[in-house]
Amino acid sequence: GAGVSQSPRYKVAKRGQDVALRCDPISGHVSLFWYQQALGQGPEFLTYFQNEAQLDKSGLPSDRFFAERPEGSVSTLKIQRTQQEDSAVYLCASSTSGGTYEQYFGPGTRLTVT
Amino acid sequence: GDSVTQMEGPVTLSEEAFLTINCTYTATGYPSLFWYVQYPGEGLQLLLKATKADDKGSNKGFEATYRKETTSFHLEKGSVQVSDSAVYFCALGGGSNYKLTFGKGTLLTVNP
Repeated sequence: GAGVSQSPRYKVAKRGQDVALRCDPISGHVSLFWYQQALGQGPEFLTYFQNEAQLDKSGLPSDRFFAERPEGSVSTLKIQRTQQEDSAVYLCASSTSGGTYEQYFGPGTRLTVT
Repeated sequence: GDSVTQMEGPVTLSEEAFLTINCTYTATGYPSLFWYVQYPGEGLQLLLKATKADDKGSNKGFEATYRKETTSFHLEKGSVQVSDSAVYFCALGGGSNYKLTFGKGTLLTVNP
C-alpha cells in the first residue's frame, strides 16, 4: 500500500520567501508528526496532530513556523520569511496512534534557503 | 528532558564483521526504545523496537536489548553485509511521550 508521501522533495527558497511543505499520511492514520533534520543530526520533533487537532507544537522553533491539518488527513507545514538556519530536511511521519505504535516516515523535503 | 546519546561515527567494517552501535538514554517514565535505519537516498525505516525492560527487539539479523539498569539499548549484528551500509538512529518515545527523541545517528559503511 501507499506510504507517507511528501512534496516537494526539494525546495530552494530565497531568504525572506514563504514556503509550504505538504504531507500525505497513510490513509486512516490518526496521528501525524513533523520533524526537522539538520545535516548530520537526528530528526527533532516539531509538532503533533491527532486527527485535525494540533496537540503539541512545542518544537516549532519560532512563530514563523505554522502547521495545519484541517480535515485530519493532509498536513501542511508553512514557514514564513525563511532564514538560512531553516535549511534542513523536513520529515513527516504518521501512525495509527501515538504511544508505542510505529511511526512511518515519508522521504522528507529538503529545504535550502539561499 | 529526554535525551539519547549514541556512538559517534563513522563506523567502517569489513563484510562478516561483528557490529555494535552503543546507545544510552535519559528519560522520565518508561519509554519504548527504537532503532531506525536510513539507507542512502531513502526515508527512515523502523528496524526494531522494545517496549519494556529486558525486551529484546530483533529484525534482519540485528538485535537490541532494553536494559533499564544501564539505560542502554545497544544495536548488534553478528555478521554485517555490504547492504547494511546506512545511517542508524537510536530513539525513544511511546506511552505518554508520543514524540520520538532521536540520537544524532551513526553512519555505518561495510566494505566487501
